[in-house]
Amino acid sequence: DVKVTQSSRYLVKRTGEKVFLECVQDMDHENMFWYRQDPGLGLRLIYFSYDVKMKEKGDIPEGYSVSREKKERFSLILESASTNQTSMYLCASRAGPGPSYEQYFGPGTRLTVT
Amino acid sequence: ILNVEQSPQSLHVQEGDSTNFTCSFPSSNFYALHWYRWETAKSPEALFVMTLNGDEKKKGRISATLNTKEGYSYLYIKGSQPEDSATYLCASSGNTGKLIFGQGTTLQVKP
Repeated sequence: DVKVTQSSRYLVKRTGEKVFLECVQDMDHENMFWYRQDPGLGLRLIYFSYDVKMKEKGDIPEGYSVSREKKERFSLILESASTNQTSMYLCASRAGPGPSYEQYFGPGTRLTVT
Repeated sequence: ILNVEQSPQSLHVQEGDSTNFTCSFPSSNFYALHWYRWETAKSPEALFVMTLNGDEKKKGRISATLNTKEGYSYLYIKGSQPEDSATYLCASSGNTGKLIFGQGTTLQVKP
Protein backbone atom coordinates (compact mmCIF):
# COMPACT_ATOMS: atom_id res chain seq x y z
CA ASP A 1 0.00 0.00 0.00
CA VAL A 2 1.13 3.49 -0.79
CA LYS A 3 1.69 5.51 2.29
CA VAL A 4 1.80 9.29 2.41
CA THR A 5 2.63 10.76 5.78
CA GLN A 6 2.58 14.33 7.00
CA SER A 7 4.69 15.56 9.86
CA SER A 8 1.88 16.89 12.05
CA ARG A 9 -1.89 16.41 12.30
CA TYR A 10 -2.39 19.68 14.18
CA LEU A 11 -0.17 22.74 14.32
CA VAL A 12 -0.60 26.12 15.97
CA LYS A 13 1.71 28.95 14.94
CA ARG A 14 1.90 32.68 15.49
CA THR A 15 1.59 35.33 12.81
CA GLY A 16 4.95 36.02 11.20
CA GLU A 17 6.50 32.65 12.06
CA LYS A 18 8.17 30.54 9.39
CA VAL A 19 6.30 27.24 9.11
CA PHE A 20 7.44 23.98 7.54
CA LEU A 21 4.96 21.28 6.59
CA GLU A 22 6.64 18.02 5.66
CA CYS A 23 5.30 15.24 3.47
CA VAL A 24 6.88 11.86 2.80
CA GLN A 25 5.74 9.10 0.43
CA ASP A 26 7.15 5.60 0.34
CA MET A 27 6.28 4.42 -3.18
CA ASP A 28 8.89 6.15 -5.30
CA HIS A 29 6.31 8.42 -6.92
CA GLU A 30 7.69 11.20 -9.05
CA ASN A 31 4.75 13.59 -8.74
CA MET A 32 3.82 15.28 -5.48
CA PHE A 33 1.26 17.95 -4.64
CA TRP A 34 0.25 20.35 -1.88
CA TYR A 35 -3.38 21.40 -1.49
CA ARG A 36 -5.33 23.40 1.02
CA GLN A 37 -8.94 22.80 1.92
CA ASP A 38 -11.24 25.47 3.32
CA PRO A 39 -14.93 25.20 4.24
CA GLY A 40 -17.21 25.55 1.21
CA LEU A 41 -14.31 25.31 -1.22
CA GLY A 42 -12.80 22.36 -2.98
CA LEU A 43 -9.20 21.34 -2.54
CA ARG A 44 -7.06 24.02 -4.10
CA LEU A 45 -3.63 23.32 -5.53
CA ILE A 46 -0.81 25.36 -4.01
CA TYR A 47 2.30 23.83 -5.62
CA PHE A 48 3.29 20.62 -7.30
CA SER A 49 6.49 18.87 -8.27
CA TYR A 50 7.09 16.49 -11.15
CA ASP A 51 10.52 15.42 -9.97
CA VAL A 52 13.33 16.18 -7.58
CA LYS A 53 14.24 19.87 -7.54
CA MET A 54 11.38 20.63 -9.91
CA LYS A 55 8.41 22.67 -8.81
CA GLU A 56 5.52 24.46 -10.42
CA LYS A 57 3.00 26.90 -9.07
CA GLY A 58 -0.53 25.76 -8.64
CA ASP A 59 -3.59 27.96 -8.46
CA ILE A 60 -2.88 29.71 -5.14
CA PRO A 61 0.92 29.88 -4.60
CA GLU A 62 1.06 33.33 -3.01
CA GLY A 63 2.62 33.25 0.45
CA TYR A 64 4.03 29.74 0.00
CA SER A 65 7.16 28.10 -1.29
CA VAL A 66 8.20 24.46 -1.61
CA SER A 67 11.27 22.31 -1.50
CA ARG A 68 11.92 18.90 -3.06
CA GLU A 69 15.49 17.82 -2.39
CA LYS A 70 14.71 14.10 -2.32
CA LYS A 71 12.18 12.15 -4.33
CA GLU A 72 10.22 10.95 -1.32
CA ARG A 73 9.94 14.29 0.48
CA PHE A 74 8.02 17.43 -0.48
CA SER A 75 7.98 20.35 1.94
CA LEU A 76 5.61 23.30 2.01
CA ILE A 77 6.99 26.48 3.53
CA LEU A 78 5.06 29.44 4.83
CA GLU A 79 7.72 32.14 4.91
CA SER A 80 5.74 34.42 7.23
CA ALA A 81 2.52 32.83 8.42
CA SER A 82 -0.63 34.91 8.34
CA THR A 83 -4.07 34.27 9.77
CA ASN A 84 -5.54 33.75 6.31
CA GLN A 85 -3.30 30.70 5.98
CA THR A 86 -5.24 28.93 8.72
CA SER A 87 -6.48 25.87 6.86
CA MET A 88 -6.27 22.11 6.35
CA TYR A 89 -3.22 21.23 4.25
CA LEU A 90 -3.13 17.99 2.29
CA CYS A 91 -0.17 16.43 0.54
CA ALA A 92 -0.58 13.91 -2.27
CA SER A 93 1.58 11.83 -4.55
CA ARG A 94 0.92 10.25 -7.92
CA ALA A 95 2.57 7.32 -9.64
CA GLY A 96 2.58 8.72 -13.17
CA PRO A 97 2.65 12.02 -15.06
CA GLY A 98 -0.83 12.01 -16.49
CA PRO A 99 -4.22 12.89 -15.04
CA SER A 100 -5.50 9.31 -15.41
CA TYR A 101 -3.35 8.30 -12.45
CA GLU A 102 -5.02 8.48 -9.06
CA GLN A 103 -3.55 10.59 -6.31
CA TYR A 104 -2.67 9.21 -2.88
CA PHE A 105 -3.25 11.60 -0.02
CA GLY A 106 -1.79 12.09 3.41
CA PRO A 107 -4.04 12.55 6.44
CA GLY A 108 -3.73 16.33 6.41
CA THR A 109 -2.29 18.95 8.73
CA ARG A 110 -4.72 21.36 10.33
CA LEU A 111 -2.78 24.59 10.75
CA THR A 112 -4.01 27.41 12.92
CA VAL A 113 -2.23 30.77 12.72
CA THR A 114 -3.00 33.08 15.63
CA ILE B 1 -9.51 27.63 -14.29
CA LEU B 2 -12.08 24.91 -14.75
CA ASN B 3 -15.15 25.02 -12.52
CA VAL B 4 -16.23 21.74 -11.02
CA GLU B 5 -19.56 21.77 -9.22
CA GLN B 6 -20.99 19.07 -6.98
CA SER B 7 -24.55 18.67 -5.77
CA PRO B 8 -26.02 18.36 -3.32
CA GLN B 9 -23.64 19.91 -0.78
CA SER B 10 -24.87 17.55 1.91
CA LEU B 11 -27.21 14.62 2.18
CA HIS B 12 -28.79 12.71 5.06
CA VAL B 13 -30.22 9.27 4.31
CA GLN B 14 -31.39 6.26 6.26
CA GLU B 15 -29.48 3.02 6.30
CA GLY B 16 -30.56 0.94 3.32
CA ASP B 17 -31.49 3.91 1.12
CA SER B 18 -29.86 4.24 -2.27
CA THR B 19 -28.50 7.63 -3.17
CA ASN B 20 -26.66 9.49 -5.88
CA PHE B 21 -24.62 12.66 -6.28
CA THR B 22 -23.74 14.75 -9.29
CA CYS B 23 -20.46 16.24 -10.46
CA SER B 24 -20.52 18.80 -13.29
CA PHE B 25 -17.39 19.86 -15.12
CA PRO B 26 -16.48 21.76 -18.29
CA SER B 27 -16.58 19.33 -21.20
CA SER B 28 -13.95 21.14 -23.26
CA ASN B 29 -10.35 19.94 -22.91
CA PHE B 30 -11.48 17.08 -20.68
CA TYR B 31 -9.01 14.34 -19.86
CA ALA B 32 -10.02 12.52 -16.66
CA LEU B 33 -12.57 12.54 -13.87
CA HIS B 34 -11.68 11.37 -10.38
CA TRP B 35 -13.90 10.42 -7.43
CA TYR B 36 -12.48 10.30 -3.90
CA ARG B 37 -14.00 9.36 -0.56
CA TRP B 38 -12.84 11.31 2.48
CA GLU B 39 -13.81 9.90 5.84
CA THR B 40 -13.39 11.99 8.97
CA ALA B 41 -9.86 11.83 10.41
CA LYS B 42 -8.62 9.79 7.45
CA SER B 43 -6.92 10.49 4.13
CA PRO B 44 -8.99 10.98 0.97
CA GLU B 45 -9.04 7.68 -0.89
CA ALA B 46 -9.51 7.19 -4.62
CA LEU B 47 -12.71 5.45 -5.70
CA PHE B 48 -12.61 5.80 -9.47
CA VAL B 49 -10.66 7.42 -12.27
CA MET B 50 -12.63 7.67 -15.50
CA THR B 51 -11.59 8.90 -18.90
CA LEU B 52 -13.96 7.58 -21.56
CA ASN B 53 -17.38 8.94 -22.44
CA GLY B 54 -20.03 6.44 -21.37
CA ASP B 55 -17.66 4.74 -18.96
CA GLU B 56 -19.20 3.06 -15.95
CA LYS B 57 -17.19 1.77 -13.01
CA LYS B 58 -18.23 -0.22 -9.96
CA LYS B 59 -16.68 -1.03 -6.60
CA GLY B 60 -18.96 -3.05 -4.35
CA ARG B 61 -22.14 -1.03 -3.76
CA ILE B 62 -20.69 2.12 -5.30
CA SER B 63 -20.74 2.88 -9.00
CA ALA B 64 -20.07 5.88 -11.21
CA THR B 65 -20.93 6.96 -14.72
CA LEU B 66 -19.33 9.52 -16.99
CA ASN B 67 -20.71 11.74 -19.74
CA THR B 68 -17.89 13.81 -21.19
CA LYS B 69 -19.97 15.39 -23.95
CA GLU B 70 -22.36 17.08 -21.54
CA GLY B 71 -19.86 17.33 -18.70
CA TYR B 72 -21.28 15.36 -15.81
CA SER B 73 -20.64 12.28 -13.69
CA TYR B 74 -22.96 10.51 -11.27
CA LEU B 75 -21.89 8.55 -8.22
CA TYR B 76 -24.40 5.98 -6.95
CA ILE B 77 -24.45 4.19 -3.62
CA LYS B 78 -26.80 1.24 -3.38
CA GLY B 79 -28.16 0.33 0.04
CA SER B 80 -26.24 2.96 2.02
CA GLN B 81 -24.56 1.84 5.22
CA PRO B 82 -23.33 3.98 8.15
CA GLU B 83 -19.74 3.28 7.06
CA ASP B 84 -20.51 5.08 3.79
CA SER B 85 -20.74 8.33 5.75
CA ALA B 86 -18.02 10.55 4.29
CA THR B 87 -17.37 13.49 2.02
CA TYR B 88 -17.26 12.50 -1.64
CA LEU B 89 -14.99 14.61 -3.82
CA CYS B 90 -14.89 14.75 -7.57
CA ALA B 91 -12.11 16.34 -9.57
CA SER B 92 -11.65 16.98 -13.26
CA SER B 93 -8.46 17.31 -15.23
CA GLY B 94 -7.43 18.62 -18.60
CA ASN B 95 -4.21 17.51 -20.23
CA THR B 96 -2.07 19.51 -17.78
CA GLY B 97 -2.47 16.76 -15.21
CA LYS B 98 -3.68 19.16 -12.55
CA LEU B 99 -6.93 18.26 -10.81
CA ILE B 100 -9.65 20.82 -10.17
CA PHE B 101 -11.81 19.70 -7.26
CA GLY B 102 -15.45 20.34 -6.55
CA GLN B 103 -16.63 21.43 -3.08
CA GLY B 104 -17.62 17.88 -2.15
CA THR B 105 -20.86 16.18 -1.11
CA THR B 106 -21.08 15.19 2.55
CA LEU B 107 -23.15 12.07 3.11
CA GLN B 108 -24.52 11.10 6.51
CA VAL B 109 -26.14 7.65 6.77
CA LYS B 110 -28.31 7.17 9.85
CA PRO B 111 -28.60 3.65 11.29
